[in-house]
Amino acid sequence: EAQVTQNPRYLITVTGKKLTVTCSQNMNHEYMSWYRQDPGLGLRQIYYSMNVEVTDKGDVPEGYKVSRKEKRNFPLILESPSPNQTSLYFCASSLFAGKVGSDYGYTFGSGTRLTVV
Amino acid sequence: AQSVSQHNHHVILSEAASLELGCNYSYGGTVNLFWYVQYPGQHLQLLLKYFSGDPLVKGIKGFEAEFIKSKFSFNLRKPSVQWSDTAEYFCAVNGVKGGYNKLIFGAGTRLAVHP
Repeated sequence: EAQVTQNPRYLITVTGKKLTVTCSQNMNHEYMSWYRQDPGLGLRQIYYSMNVEVTDKGDVPEGYKVSRKEKRNFPLILESPSPNQTSLYFCASSLFAGKVGSDYGYTFGSGTRLTVV
Repeated sequence: AQSVSQHNHHVILSEAASLELGCNYSYGGTVNLFWYVQYPGQHLQLLLKYFSGDPLVKGIKGFEAEFIKSKFSFNLRKPSVQWSDTAEYFCAVNGVKGGYNKLIFGAGTRLAVHP
């Protein structure tokens, strides 16, 4: 089944303790992206990746890191989490990077609810 | 700057009422447009999308949306809502920035449908 898999689904951690949220897709998609969802703000892009070893900042990158060593994986790293990073996180992938006007879309993971205390 | 504006943050309807959720975007180039739905405690699901051709797009569960290029709008409609449509709805626009995709979301509209 074509899917984006995020782990863990729920995570409670303490301020300053490094954590990684994993994201993996099995569709050979070029493009992957991380979003955070906060009430009243919708989804905001944290980082995105156009292909292996190619990543760039989204709209809210502060406090996050990413890597794309393999096409299928795009982990989100919080080196020193803080309470303002408490949020619902979604990973997404898409077949193409840089193409509009074509019939393709995005596939989203099930989300990771992170609480930083 | 690219942006997506959803007109209503909260909408309350009775079953069988008609629904229209507004979405306007700001982007100068070619775009793909999406509506996603998020049921309580679940992830995003695609309702419908526009990429080219007929500006009236039909999606799942009886939803449709109309792309009006001159108004930069992509409003979501459903003629008769059901209690099971209670969810949060997100409009999203995908445009090319610097040669790569950028998918931007609106702030979302929470729909509550009362029996």
